[in-house]
Order: sequence, then C-alpha cells, then structure tokens
Amino acid sequence: DIQMTQSPSSLSASLGDRVTITCRASQSINNRLNWYQHKPGKAPKLLITAASTLQSGVPSKFSGSGSGTDFTLTISSLQPEDFATYYCQQSYITPPLFGQGTKVEIK
Amino acid sequence: EVQLVESGGGLVQPGGSLRLSCAASGFTFSSYWMNWVRQAPGKGLEWVASIRQDGGEKYYEDSVKGRFTISRDNARNALYLQMNSLRVEDTAVYYCARIDNSGHYGRDYWGQGTLVTVSS
Repeated sequence: DIQMTQSPSSLSASLGDRVTITCRASQSINNRLNWYQHKPGKAPKLLITAASTLQSGVPSKFSGSGSGTDFTLTISSLQPEDFATYYCQQSYITPPLFGQGTKVEIK
Repeated sequence: EVQLVESGGGLVQPGGSLRLSCAASGFTFSSYWMNWVRQAPGKGLEWVASIRQDGGEKYYEDSVKGRFTISRDNARNALYLQMNSLRVEDTAVYYCARIDNSGHYGRDYWGQGTLVTVSS
C-alpha cells in the first residue's frame, strides 16, 4: 500500500494568513493526488485533482503543486469559511488511501 | 444537480448486520465507479470499498474484506454496502461518493453520510 503522510496534523492561523499543507507519499504516485476539504457534519468537498487542477467552482485562493512523492496545498488568504480539516488522497493505485488530515483552526 | 443520499445506518450489536443504501440522481449512474468512505469518531477519512460501473470489479479495504460487500443496481440508480459480522471499530459515518471519469479518480460528489454505531 502507498501510505500518505500529511503535515502538520493541525495548525492555527489568522484571517488573511497564507497557509501551506504538505502531503508525502511513501512511493511515487506521479500526479495522482487529490485534496479535500471537510467540515463537521458536512460532506467532504473535492478541491483539487491531479495535484494542481482546481475543481469547478473552487475559489482560486486554493492551489496545489507537486509530483512524485511530495505535494502541497496552499490557501492564499485564509477566510472564515476555510476553517476545516483538509485531506490528501492518492488515486494512483488501490487502496486509494487518505492522509491523516490537517485541521486548520482559528488563532 | 448531482445528489447522493445515504440511508440504512443505525445502532447494531457486535456481530450483527446492516445494509446501507445510496440513492443517486442527477447524473448517469451507470457510467461511474462508485465507492464508500467512512469516518470513525474523532478519526480521519478511510476508504472502504469501490465498485466498477457494471459491478464486475470490486475492491475492499483489508479490515472489511470477507465481511462487507459492495454492490449496485444501475436500473435503480442505487449503491449498496452489505455489512456483516460488524465490530465496534466499524462505528463511523459512512459516505457514498462518486469517482470522477476524468482519469484522475477524485471523489467529486459525496452524500451527507449515514451513521453506523456498533455497540452492545
């Protein structure tokens, strides 16, 4: 199995901050990396596929980069609606494992 | 509008069974891989099972192999998860999600989830 490791597991940030979350795969997954946003009591939301392709309707403050084993999700200017848990997931091979999540909290 | 609505969750004793359903609408259900993902209390998202468009290919997370069965009825636009020999550690919110057809296999639409509680 390809293990996905996110860092940090949680972070505190202020409104307007630029936030970066890292995801590392245990072996190369090319660009088969997806990012999700999940708020309590809500359905998870797909933000980015193929490491850097923004889903339709997702604001451009979200961006993704990386290839191979190392990937990042960046939120350029944190707003109240962005406080959530973010997950990466590899879709290179089965099982399509998720990272453990990064909880973004208000400082 | 794409909609996925799960049902069938509830309280069940260890060793018991439950069948989850997911009603799909707003898209050509038979054209998409589908899957189940769960989230245990205080934990992260965990992939459970996936099924091909025609039901001919299925994959399972190791801890549910032999106990859970994913299936679909394309005529009814429905996805199912039959869960047998349930364990306390299967307690979670179960989500059905569509797998996108772009070749990148993101889970692009999700239901709101149904809670399964396994407890005596």
